[in-house]
Amino acid sequence: AQSVTQLGSHVSVSEGALVLLRCNYSSSVPPYLFWYVQYPNQGLQLLLKYTSAATLVKGINGFEAEFKKSETSFHLTKPSAHMSDAAEYFCAVSRYNQGGKLIFGQGTELSVKP
Amino acid sequence: DADVTQTPRNRITKTGKRIMLECSQTKGHDRMYWYRQDPGLGLRLIYYSFDVKDINKGEISDGYSVSRQAQAKFSLSLESAIPNQTALYFCATSEGNGANVLTFGAGSRLTVL
Repeated sequence: AQSVTQLGSHVSVSEGALVLLRCNYSSSVPPYLFWYVQYPNQGLQLLLKYTSAATLVKGINGFEAEFKKSETSFHLTKPSAHMSDAAEYFCAVSRYNQGGKLIFGQGTELSVKP
Repeated sequence: DADVTQTPRNRITKTGKRIMLECSQTKGHDRMYWYRQDPGLGLRLIYYSFDVKDINKGEISDGYSVSRQAQAKFSLSLESAIPNQTALYFCATSEGNGANVLTFGAGSRLTVL
């Protein structure tokens, strides 16, 4: 069975500071991994995805994530936080034959202080 | 217009009432999904459909039913709503490839009193 754990339900950073949102997964087969972002009163939108190509994945809005098989992690980072990054972030896992049946983590709410 | 449209966006109802949440898409995707979002639990899959004649239960299907009326339409019903079905419901679509990127609607917030 697959599962996802996001460490920290709420993360607060200052504007300009490093953003680090943690995600660990478990999967018995090579996984596909995703980060989605949810802005207030909106649906989720894809930030980036890992599909077994490069282990360092770049996404939209300056975010990137690194797949580390040995640590079963897929942490999301951004070098410099912007006020507009305040949102909820979800890590998710699936595998090729599961279609869009994603297993989501619990979510991490990111606050950015001026 | 949005690629994935959900109606209603907000609904308050009473215990025991029948509720239908509707979803339509202009993406041309064959695959459609209903997810439920609860604080601290993330999103969980209720039902999914890979084409018009295909309906499958997800992780938390009890108390829900769905109908795939056309490629573009996928509705979720609560036959007899109960308070613990109070949640934010999302419809999503995807192409039939391995990357499985979901396109989400804006959500339907349901409150059951």
